[in-house]
Amino acid sequence: GDSVTQMEGPVTLSEEAFLTINCTYTATGYPSLFWYVQYPGEGLQLLLKATKADDKGSNKGFEATYRKETTSFHLEKGSVQVSDSAVYFCALSSYNTDKLIFGTGTRLQVFP
Amino acid sequence: SQTIHQWPATLVQPVGSPLSLECTVEGTSNPNLYWYRQAAGRGLQLLFYSVGIGQISSEVPQNLSASRPQDRQFILSSKKLLLSDSGFYLCATTGTARSNTEAFFGQGTRLTVV
Repeated sequence: GDSVTQMEGPVTLSEEAFLTINCTYTATGYPSLFWYVQYPGEGLQLLLKATKADDKGSNKGFEATYRKETTSFHLEKGSVQVSDSAVYFCALSSYNTDKLIFGTGTRLQVFP
Repeated sequence: SQTIHQWPATLVQPVGSPLSLECTVEGTSNPNLYWYRQAAGRGLQLLFYSVGIGQISSEVPQNLSASRPQDRQFILSSKKLLLSDSGFYLCATTGTARSNTEAFFGQGTRLTVV
């Protein structure tokens, strides 16, 4: 069945470091891909999305590119801030079933 | 815009007691609806989802069931709770059935089975 695998955390970085959080997926058909973020004490919110191969989603300095050939949707940011500390979830939505599946989440901790 | 109402916010129930968590959606019709359980280290586990009234897909065989008696109402139930049912339960919607739209989440229910 459809699934999402993302790297385990926590990821610990210094401010202004480069961030990569890996995400790979397994799906039939052509899913849409998402990154959600959960800040401490808050609910999940959409960070960015991509709906077809080679699309690049971007928001707040974060980027992710839908790579069909490697079934990946890695999240990147060139320079992280302390305020980026949160849990990041990769997710996919199946085209033919509308099933919405999340990865296990990756905790990011950024220190000054 | 759509809004999700989920209640109660916290619940403490004894083992063997029944459960009913309710979720309602405003601002959209014929929404896709989802129940998740969020546990530390396991992320968001999809329990059930529904693309229409009376249509329920179960993802994880377990002690829980779901029902959708009305278009914008989604209920999570159990006849007899187990200790392992403790967790944080989230209801979500992607609005009118589309696979590429943003999901909106309720505030969640923290369930503790004692």
